[in-house]
Amino acid sequence: GAGVSQTPSNKVTEKGKYVELRCDPISGHTALYWYRQSLGQGPEFLIYFQGTGAADDSGLPNDRFFAVRPEGSVSTLKIQRTERGDSAVYLCASSLNSGGTEAFFGQGTRLTVV
Amino acid sequence: AQSVTQLGSHVSVSEGALVLLRCNYSSSVPPYLFWYVQYPNQGLQLLLKYTSAATLVKGINGFEAEFKKSETSFHLTKPSAHMSDAAEYFCAVSALNTGNQFYFGTGTSLTVIP
Repeated sequence: GAGVSQTPSNKVTEKGKYVELRCDPISGHTALYWYRQSLGQGPEFLIYFQGTGAADDSGLPNDRFFAVRPEGSVSTLKIQRTERGDSAVYLCASSLNSGGTEAFFGQGTRLTVV
Repeated sequence: AQSVTQLGSHVSVSEGALVLLRCNYSSSVPPYLFWYVQYPNQGLQLLLKYTSAATLVKGINGFEAEFKKSETSFHLTKPSAHMSDAAEYFCAVSALNTGNQFYFGTGTSLTVIP
């Protein structure tokens, strides 16, 4: 597609439930990033994929968070046993595999845990 | 590791006045630096980037930024503010030795007063 696509745009879930957030990057972009943005804050790095593998997952807050990118394109961020503190906008971005290239961001998924 | 500091979480300028948004970075290796803009309920859009070419970088919408290594700064400027410039602005840094993931500042909210 023309840009990074994230679905759903909004997700409301009950505390303790499992959620999946999807990201469809720009075609041909090998790097994919997940960020979390809380109100009034800058995007917080979660995980970075280069192709199918997670090159850096140091930003994942705990083991309830997991992300996959099985075919090197679409990625899914999975959150188990959601907590109210997980409520935020989850941003996905993609970029070409070369240094200094900018990341293109999707519109984000607003997750609300009630 | 890389990080950025944005001084001033809120900046107000009069329409037609100079816009100056400050960003200082920390990086153990030559950095790549970016400014992104976020309008309400929208994703992040790239304004401009520095990738070790010209130190004065021109971006979209009349914005520019100057990389000053001696000051570890990458401040964003625009000679004359427009009402449409009101938004949240984020400075970000990346570097090859950290896999190119982006580290964002906490953002500066720009208000333009008519």
